[in-house]
Amino acid sequence: DGGITQSPKYLFRKEGQNVTLSCEQNLNHDAMYWYRQDPGQGLRLIYYSQIVNDFQKGDIAEGYSVSREKKESFPLTVTSAQKNPTAFYLCASSSQRTGGYGYTFGSGTRLTVV
Amino acid sequence: DQQVKQNSPSLSVQEGRISILNCDYTNSMFDYFLWYKKYPAEGPTFLISISSIKDKNEDGRFTVFLNKSAKHLSLHIVPSQPGDSAVYFCAASVYNTDKLIFGTGTRLQVFP
Repeated sequence: DGGITQSPKYLFRKEGQNVTLSCEQNLNHDAMYWYRQDPGQGLRLIYYSQIVNDFQKGDIAEGYSVSREKKESFPLTVTSAQKNPTAFYLCASSSQRTGGYGYTFGSGTRLTVV
Repeated sequence: DQQVKQNSPSLSVQEGRISILNCDYTNSMFDYFLWYKKYPAEGPTFLISISSIKDKNEDGRFTVFLNKSAKHLSLHIVPSQPGDSAVYFCAASVYNTDKLIFGTGTRLQVFP
């Protein structure tokens, strides 16, 4: 079955620690995205990548970093510089020119700072 | 600047009745509009979309209407079922790109 796998599903982080969220897809999609969901604020774009070894900042990139060394993988690191990291993180992918088909999303990672 | 807006954070509808979810946009450079459905602790799943050159698209119980002059779209669910209870996001596809802009979501509750 083709899809997107995010891991872990739940993650707890101590203040001052960096953590990395995994996102893997086997859909052969070129583009991958990271979104953050907070209550009442919808989905906000953190980073996106349209091709291997290239990525761009989204609307709320501060305190986050990404890499795209392989087409299938787009890990997100939440650094200690992110002031309010507790949120639900969603990874998505798409083929170029999504048109009316949109993105395929993973099942998400809930990150909690303790 | 929120380019895609869902002004109703929640909606409660009785089973069997119609659910109408609304979305407004401010940018004319969108070529498709999409609706996603999201259950708690899960990723959004694609529901239905409409091209900006159309004014209606129907798929089973779900119909999306687009009013370009008013920059408004709506999702109609008829009849509503308890399993439809979820958060619904509208999204707009920026013309000739793969970028989607999402609204803030509307929580739909369908009660018996």
